[in-house]
Amino acid sequence: QSALTQPPSASGSPGQSVTISCTGASSDVGAYDSVSWYQQHPGKAPKLMLFEVSKRPSGVPDRFSGSKSGNTASLTVSGLQVEDEAEYYCSSYAGSDNWVFGGGTKVTVL
Amino acid sequence: QVQLVQSGADVKTPGASVTVSCRASGHPFTTFPIHWVRQAPGQGLEWMGWINTGNGHTKASQNFQGRVTITWDTSASTAYMEMSSLRSRDTALYYCATKAMGPNSPFDVWGQGIVVTVSS
Repeated sequence: QSALTQPPSASGSPGQSVTISCTGASSDVGAYDSVSWYQQHPGKAPKLMLFEVSKRPSGVPDRFSGSKSGNTASLTVSGLQVEDEAEYYCSSYAGSDNWVFGGGTKVTVL
Repeated sequence: QVQLVQSGADVKTPGASVTVSCRASGHPFTTFPIHWVRQAPGQGLEWMGWINTGNGHTKASQNFQGRVTITWDTSASTAYMEMSSLRSRDTALYYCATKAMGPNSPFDVWGQGIVVTVSS
């Protein structure tokens, strides 16, 4: 089972936008609207930021948005803030009761 | 409010087995999934497997080639993840996480994570 592919790093200045991609296959990302995104600060457990591609849980700012095209999902953080600096992971259902995560993207606020 | 509390941090020698536990409380449903996810030092998240607490159905990632066994004790509201034939690369932070049933629901509640160290 292969991990979803994410760029290792992304960066932007405060107030700018950053977009992170998450590329899978037609058997996972492309097959289901199950992509979710997690934010992880050092030493902390992951925190859900988006689910079902583009839905935000209560309490997540609308600066966080998501989309999907084919086998690639994307997370966009608009109006970057210092507290957005973290590692971000995507996840997708992969069929047959399997799930898969991406390798993670370190977002740096310059 | 759903909470997952983990225990079982340990140091093991290569070839040994380890069991990590995850106690669930406050879940609004009697049947829910418990998933296991690990994170090696400086690495990303890796999905390991899950159990349906209602019927005991389990599925482990093929990446673990039968080394992972996940169980659920209803009386204790606790899930267990046993990993055998430990190797140094199994050194990681092990999380349990829960979600609603179904493929599209996300991992919305996580345990605090437990460190398992494999070293001779």
